[in-house]
Amino acid sequence: GAVVSQHPSRVICKSGTSVKIECRSLDFQATTMFWYRQFPKQSLMLMATSNEGSKATYEQGVEKDKFLINHASLTLSTLTVTSAHPEDSSFYICSARDYTSGGYNEQFFGPGTRLTVL
Amino acid sequence: SQQGEEDPQALSIQEGENATMNCSYKTSINNLQWYRQNSGRGLVHLILIRSNEREKHSGRLRVTLDTSKKSSSLLITASRAADTASYFCATAMEYGNKLVFGAGTILRVKS
Repeated sequence: GAVVSQHPSRVICKSGTSVKIECRSLDFQATTMFWYRQFPKQSLMLMATSNEGSKATYEQGVEKDKFLINHASLTLSTLTVTSAHPEDSSFYICSARDYTSGGYNEQFFGPGTRLTVL
Repeated sequence: SQQGEEDPQALSIQEGENATMNCSYKTSINNLQWYRQNSGRGLVHLILIRSNEREKHSGRLRVTLDTSKKSSSLLITASRAADTASYFCATAMEYGNKLVFGAGTILRVKS
């Protein structure tokens, strides 16, 4: 089955630093990847849609200069949280869509990255 | 933004009992999907139902969709302790479009 990985699984950083999170589709090519944010005991909120070779599409209220997304290849998308602050602490989850499987908009999710900003 | 609501917010049942979770949404959809999330982990896709379908089964899971009421339900039969997790519905307005998640139901199955 389609597998999506994320790295790192956990990261703790100091306020003001930048953190990069990787999302990889391991056994399929993903022209589109999605980045979500989840606060404790809450649902997933879509942050942005990442398309390979083009600029990401951000949801309303998400600062594109704060959350930099790069989708340079068909198997890798990165999310960089710039100048992180404690309020950026959250669970970040990526997903990828496998168009070749014939799946009907099914997304495969990574295991998530727990970011803690001190 | 959240597409809709799920109820109940939390559900606690005994092993062997059935669990029913409901999801409501606001706009027309192309399909609706159910996902499971174990604590602190990623999401696992359970089942997808298209807007022209009314019911779908997968193992112990049964999903219904009522587009006139803009609602869906997920039934887990003969629940097990391993079913303890959060369950989310997600809607897609168009084929290939982004998913919008509901608030989720926290299910606890006691053994």
